[in-house]
Amino acid sequence: SYVLTQPPSVSVAPGQTARITCGGNNIGTKSVHWYRQKPGLAPVLVVYDDTDRPSGIPERLSGSNSGNTATLTISWVEAGDEADYYCQVWDTSSDRVFGGGTKLTVL
Amino acid sequence: EVQLVESGGGLVKPGGSPRLSCVASGFTFSNVWMSWVRQAPGKGLEWVGRITSKTDGGTTDYAAPVKGRFTISRDDSKDTLYLQMNSLKTEDTAVYYCTTNAITVADTIFFDYWGQGALVTVSS
Repeated sequence: SYVLTQPPSVSVAPGQTARITCGGNNIGTKSVHWYRQKPGLAPVLVVYDDTDRPSGIPERLSGSNSGNTATLTISWVEAGDEADYYCQVWDTSSDRVFGGGTKLTVL
Repeated sequence: EVQLVESGGGLVKPGGSPRLSCVASGFTFSNVWMSWVRQAPGKGLEWVGRITSKTDGGTTDYAAPVKGRFTISRDDSKDTLYLQMNSLKTEDTAVYYCTTNAITVADTIFFDYWGQGALVTVSS
């Protein structure tokens, strides 16, 4: 089965850039999607198809995907960005479509 | 505005068979593939299963942990998605989210809209 690996936590100071990675075998050949989940709330799609943003998601959030790593980059981090972030691919050979999640802490 | 509203959660004994419902509005429900995603307390997201649109066969697909125990169905006349859960185990305790599925040009799926979730607690 296909496994997505995320760091459990990432910490960054306000105004800095946060990079949340999602590792997988040749993930660069797949479409990667990202979700943000704040405590007690449902997840929200923030990036799809590696780099596209749904309407309402600020340009500060961007995605990239190459080789064995996809990355969600959050520029000019704000306190409101503090949340859990999950990557996702659709692999018909695997049930495990989500990464384990990364908790972003804004210091 | 897309809205997905789940109901039917609660406290269930092991072996129980609750059914969750998800009422959709704000889009043409019959055209959309739908999935259930769950999240155990303090844990990550886990895809449960999906159903295609009737136009695409109305077929279902399930994750291994629930295959044979859970059934997803839809009633397009009521804009409602269902999750019938049988033979529940304590490890099925989770918030269950109803989601719409978007299909990309690369023929992959992502979950573009989510309901607020329904908590199912399996305990004796």
